[in-house]
Amino acid sequence: AQSVTQLGSHVSVSEGALVLLRCNYSSSVPPYLFWYVQYPNQGLQLLLKYTSAATLVKGINGFEAEFKKSETSFHLTKPSAHMSDAAEYFCAVSVWGYQKVTFGTGTKLQVIP
Amino acid sequence: GAGVSQTPSNKVTEKGKYVELRCDPISGHTALYWYRQSLGQGPEFLIYFQGTGAADDSGLPNDRFFAVRPEGSVSTLKIQRTERGDSAVYLCASSTGGDSGANVLTFGAGSRLTVL
Repeated sequence: AQSVTQLGSHVSVSEGALVLLRCNYSSSVPPYLFWYVQYPNQGLQLLLKYTSAATLVKGINGFEAEFKKSETSFHLTKPSAHMSDAAEYFCAVSVWGYQKVTFGTGTKLQVIP
Repeated sequence: GAGVSQTPSNKVTEKGKYVELRCDPISGHTALYWYRQSLGQGPEFLIYFQGTGAADDSGLPNDRFFAVRPEGSVSTLKIQRTERGDSAVYLCASSTGGDSGANVLTFGAGSRLTVL
């Protein structure tokens, strides 16, 4: 079975600083990987997804993630944090031919002015 | 509809009571998922449907939990003999389905269940 591990349940960054949220996956077959975001009092929405086309994936709001097979990682980055980025971020995994999507435990991002 | 609709948005019940939570997915989406999210945790998979059938119900915690999707659209999650540990936000999501597994889930706002 596939799984994801998110390192750090809480991350704080200053406004304008680099955002780095970590996700490592475990899968016996090539995975599909996702980052979802949950803003306060809103539902989860997709930030970006990796489906084996390109290892560097760009998403909404300036976020991007790089698939690194050798490190089994799919970390989420943004060069410059904005106050509006404060939210909870979830990494998720699925595999070809199987619709089940497994989520990580989430990382809550705090942006300090 | 335009999005995934879940009702009720909030439900408070007493221990031992029966509860139904409803999900109305995006029109045309063949796959429907139920997740449970406890405070400070990520969404925990419960069950997903492809059409009318439950393709994977491995996440249902015990036989008090049951879900149906009789016409391949609206789904109902049913919880019998509720326990305080069932308190959580129950999330529904839908997707276009298909074989690839890379489909994006569109989530509803959730139904917050509180068992007293």
